[in-house]
Amino acid sequence: NAGVTQTPKFRVLKTGQSMTLLCAQDMNHEYMYWYRQDPGMGLRLIHYSVGEGTTAKGEVPDGYNVSRLKKQNFLLGLESAAPSQTSVYFCASIDSWGSPEAFFGQGTRLTVV
Amino acid sequence: DQQVKQNSPSLSVQEGRISILNCDYTNSMFDYFLWYKKYPAEGPTFLISISSIKDKNEDGRFTVFLNKSAKHLSLHIVPSQPGDSAVYFCAASARVGAQKLVFGQGTRLTINP
Repeated sequence: NAGVTQTPKFRVLKTGQSMTLLCAQDMNHEYMYWYRQDPGMGLRLIHYSVGEGTTAKGEVPDGYNVSRLKKQNFLLGLESAAPSQTSVYFCASIDSWGSPEAFFGQGTRLTVV
Repeated sequence: DQQVKQNSPSLSVQEGRISILNCDYTNSMFDYFLWYKKYPAEGPTFLISISSIKDKNEDGRFTVFLNKSAKHLSLHIVPSQPGDSAVYFCAASARVGAQKLVFGQGTRLTINP
């Protein structure tokens, strides 16, 4: 059982480049989330989705876009990367009918130079 | 406005002794609280949780205590083992709507042999 899988695991971008991070979960969870982790800041919510075709902004959404075209996938896009977006990104999912214990992917370490 | 705070960035404990990690929150709407453990280069993994209707939840060596009047929770690990060395995140959720988790900054626990 793979759980939550993120691709890629590492990426280096130049300022102004774009990229998409992919999150896939095989647990049939309704809710999915993108967080970023920065030193001393904990995990901060970027965007989230409560179901296929729906997305909403979290705490730090600026500079990011998301899409949830399929229930199992949640994509995070950076249209024009900035050094401030250097971070570790985590995707998570929750079973909306059970306890809110989120399952996390292994993370994507992104460096913007 | 940091709704969930972990005021100790790091904690060092001798193997076999008790580790106590603390967490404070400000939002009265939170009704479910979780602790996550994170090793380097891995995603956070769920450790233990507690609902606001309880004041204690125990799972093996791990116990979480909740003091609603003080808006404070703590994680006790007894006895501490070297494998417990990790970063611990406290998280809180309001179990209505999108069940978004709000995280603290994390505490790095080091267990010394």
